[in-house]
Amino acid sequence: DAGVIQSPRHEVTEMGQEVTLRCKPISGHDYLFWYRQTMMRGLELLIYFNNNVPIDDSGMPEDRFSAKMPNASFSTLKIQPSEPRDSAVYFCASRHSGNTIYFGEGSWLTVV
Amino acid sequence: AQSVTQLDSHVSVSEGTPVLLRCNYSSSYSPSLFWYVQHPNKGLQLLLKYTSAATLVKGINGFEAEFKKSETSFHLTKPSAHMSDAAEYFCVVKGGTALIFGKGTTLSVSS
Repeated sequence: DAGVIQSPRHEVTEMGQEVTLRCKPISGHDYLFWYRQTMMRGLELLIYFNNNVPIDDSGMPEDRFSAKMPNASFSTLKIQPSEPRDSAVYFCASRHSGNTIYFGEGSWLTVV
Repeated sequence: AQSVTQLDSHVSVSEGTPVLLRCNYSSSYSPSLFWYVQHPNKGLQLLLKYTSAATLVKGINGFEAEFKKSETSFHLTKPSAHMSDAAEYFCVVKGGTALIFGKGTTLSVSS
């Protein structure tokens, strides 16, 4: 299996621009998670989906952040408009039944 | 609520010496616990997991962890460090559906 695939791996954008991060979970996994990693706050759960339905979005920091999962093999995390404090590594992860969650390699976002 | 506390933010060892990364957990029921490793500019890789079977859990790359309920601990050990072990290590507890991460411990290995 190819694992969880994220794109882009690196993104540098100007403040105010829209940023879209993409994720393809492992085939057959019915849970998908978006995490954010920063030096100050460590790894935080932003939102997760079960069977393409958002279950808990309490970790989404502001209305500027939105996430969608239109089908079982694709999810997006969008930031509009982006701000410098959004600079972080964004991880997508997925799992099926059982406990093991598999992570993608992350999207390194820098907002200047 | 579930939580984990990694007791050291940074651990430095010499190559060939033992590694000990400490983690305490808090959970109202029998927890599922994990250790993940993150190498520089890389994603998160599962090292090992505890899910109420054997209390001594063996993982990849020679790492193991022991679940001690009486001490609410899940420390990660390795008998002999290798240069390639230098990375960030996260102790993690499963809280409901998602994972709750500790703050991480940076392991440095010197030759």
